[in-house]
Amino acid sequence: EPEVTQTPSHQVTQMGQEVILRCVPISNHLYFYWYRQILGQKVEFLVSFYNNEISEKSEIFDDQFSVERPDGSNFTLKIRSTKLEDSAMYFCASSPLQGGDGYTFGSGTRLTVV
Amino acid sequence: AQKITQTQPGMFVQEKEAVTLDCTYDTSDPSYGLFWYKQPSSGEMIFLIYQGSYDQQNATEGRYSLNFQKARKSANLVISASQLGDSAMYFCAMRGAGGTSYGKLTFGQGTILTVHP
Repeated sequence: EPEVTQTPSHQVTQMGQEVILRCVPISNHLYFYWYRQILGQKVEFLVSFYNNEISEKSEIFDDQFSVERPDGSNFTLKIRSTKLEDSAMYFCASSPLQGGDGYTFGSGTRLTVV
Repeated sequence: AQKITQTQPGMFVQEKEAVTLDCTYDTSDPSYGLFWYKQPSSGEMIFLIYQGSYDQQNATEGRYSLNFQKARKSANLVISASQLGDSAMYFCAMRGAGGTSYGKLTFGQGTILTVHP
């Protein structure tokens, strides 16, 4: 069964450092997303991406965040200058263009900022 | 704005029994989709079941069924014949209807299910 692949599974970084979280969405999906889950809390939407541009972003997705699809397969989330409160599980997801189900999440990257 | 409410922080069930996890939602969109995900302690989000707002029948996937009551804006998950491996956090989520919110999922707070042997 097709799956969304995220790397790394865990990352520890120093406060103020830049991190890049990587995702390979399902190949025939056209919408890509990043979500965040702070430990013990609900899953929060960060950004959606379609046709090589951001289609929607939340108030969490401020100037320190950026997304990119550098080639035909990867989808990345960059956090420029990490803060302690950026420590969370980050999920990538992808979905087909047209509605219905098929909305698939990756297994997540656990980011710890120290 | 869309909102998902899961009022049960924790639920307990005996192995082999059925359990219902509650989810209510609020939206003004005529078209929307409802999802349930399972999150085990390892952290990944596992898709369980989907219900479209215009689907006439309640969705079923193996031991999972979705009790969709549109007028009451509820989308409860029913797990039949619970297994120890069902112990996990369960999230209800809603997909937006159209425009730029088409793909965004809004999640509830989650319900921790514990299955006792």
